[in-house]
Amino acid sequence: NAGVTQTPKFRVLKTGQSMTLLCAQDMNHEYMYWYRQDPGMGLRLIHYSVGEGTTAKGEVPDGYNVSRLKKQNFLLGLESAAPSQTSVYFCASIPADSGNTIYFGEGSWLTVV
Amino acid sequence: ILNVEQSPQSLHVQEGDSTNFTCSFPSSNFYALHWYRWETAKSPEALFVMTLNGDEKKKGRISATLNTKEGYSYLYIKGSQPEDSATYLCAFFRLTGGGNKLTFGTGTQLKVEL
Repeated sequence: NAGVTQTPKFRVLKTGQSMTLLCAQDMNHEYMYWYRQDPGMGLRLIHYSVGEGTTAKGEVPDGYNVSRLKKQNFLLGLESAAPSQTSVYFCASIPADSGNTIYFGEGSWLTVV
Repeated sequence: ILNVEQSPQSLHVQEGDSTNFTCSFPSSNFYALHWYRWETAKSPEALFVMTLNGDEKKKGRISATLNTKEGYSYLYIKGSQPEDSATYLCAFFRLTGGGNKLTFGTGTQLKVEL
């Protein structure tokens, strides 16, 4: 997983609090993704970005916002956290040629109480 | 929303058994199909990246095939071992003018018992 760093790795939030997860990659990848992983549901796409300054909604975007002001960073924001957002969040990046391997961060464990 | 389906959802086998799983995906605008091995609380581990119809890849006891025309890929494990217990995910990458998404299936959870 060299090259993709997620911060923070663990966080406990109270309902209604806000926070931002940072995904940083140093491989000059164009595409970056935020997923959430819940038991029995695999990885579900929240938002993604195909380049600096562009973002798009995935399967489960509600309650989240993202920004990609710099190519190497993809931020995932929770404006008003809800218990349903308790999950493990994974960031991934990939170069434009998707024949290459997807690079994942190590995950961020978020609990909303 | 693209549908990437994996079956079965879960599988219990005995040590030494051979097994296989299926990943189904839309056959249009295909670009690449990835297979990952994923253990809980860890990042997914790459197994294969497949791009051409008819591709066959092998890594030790694990192999995979790809049929892009009919939209499926099979993952095979020969002589399953307890350390093979994990969730196996496939991911479909499709290039379209409307945006490029990497969509994961929900995974097949494999449990190998002694």
